[in-house]
Amino acid sequence: DVKVTQSSRYLVKRTGEKVFLECVQDMDHENMFWYRQDPGLGLRLIYFSYDVKMKEKGDIPEGYSVSREKKERFSLILESASTNQTSMYLCASSRGTSGRVNTGELFFGEGSRLTVL
Amino acid sequence: GQNIDQPTEMTATEGAIVQINCTYQTSGFNGLFWYQQHAGEAPTFLSYNVLDGLEEKGRFSSFLSRSKGYSYLLLKELQMKDSASYLCAVMDSNYQLIWGAGTKLIIKP
Repeated sequence: DVKVTQSSRYLVKRTGEKVFLECVQDMDHENMFWYRQDPGLGLRLIYFSYDVKMKEKGDIPEGYSVSREKKERFSLILESASTNQTSMYLCASSRGTSGRVNTGELFFGEGSRLTVL
Repeated sequence: GQNIDQPTEMTATEGAIVQINCTYQTSGFNGLFWYQQHAGEAPTFLSYNVLDGLEEKGRFSSFLSRSKGYSYLLLKELQMKDSASYLCAVMDSNYQLIWGAGTKLIIKP
């Protein structure tokens, strides 16, 4: 059974803390994504990666960074958490056809609900 | 700008048919996707349309009109387990998905 696993389902952090969200996929997918999901808004892309050690900014990268040292693992880092980063964070992966092309069929993890106090 | 519009919430009766509409304005078009997301769970892929017309997959069908910037997801013989949010997404010219806010579908007995 194919899977995308996120390290924590629920986290509570304080303003200014550093936060790591880990994501691992077992499908040998080239592409990996971090989204945040907020009520009333569509999924918003934070960062994505189409290869090991490669990363590209999405629509809302401010306040976030990412790391992809291995193909199966994509980490999201909040250097100094703020209350406006309270959200559901979704990791996803997809097969890449060539270069950066994304097939669009994303496999999502269960999500990490982060609360920043 | 890029925009995906879909109704916020819909209610339907078990056993009936429901149509969830999605309209879009994007820079480029490389396909339209529908995902299902049960409360507290991850979104899962339902369907993909890149050419005009209807794609049928069991009780679910998805329609696309590129000239009108319009799609719908049709769910037949509704079951209680179909209660979920349905997300419409368009792949733009950069091969990134632009997402609608989702339609929460409530099924009543």
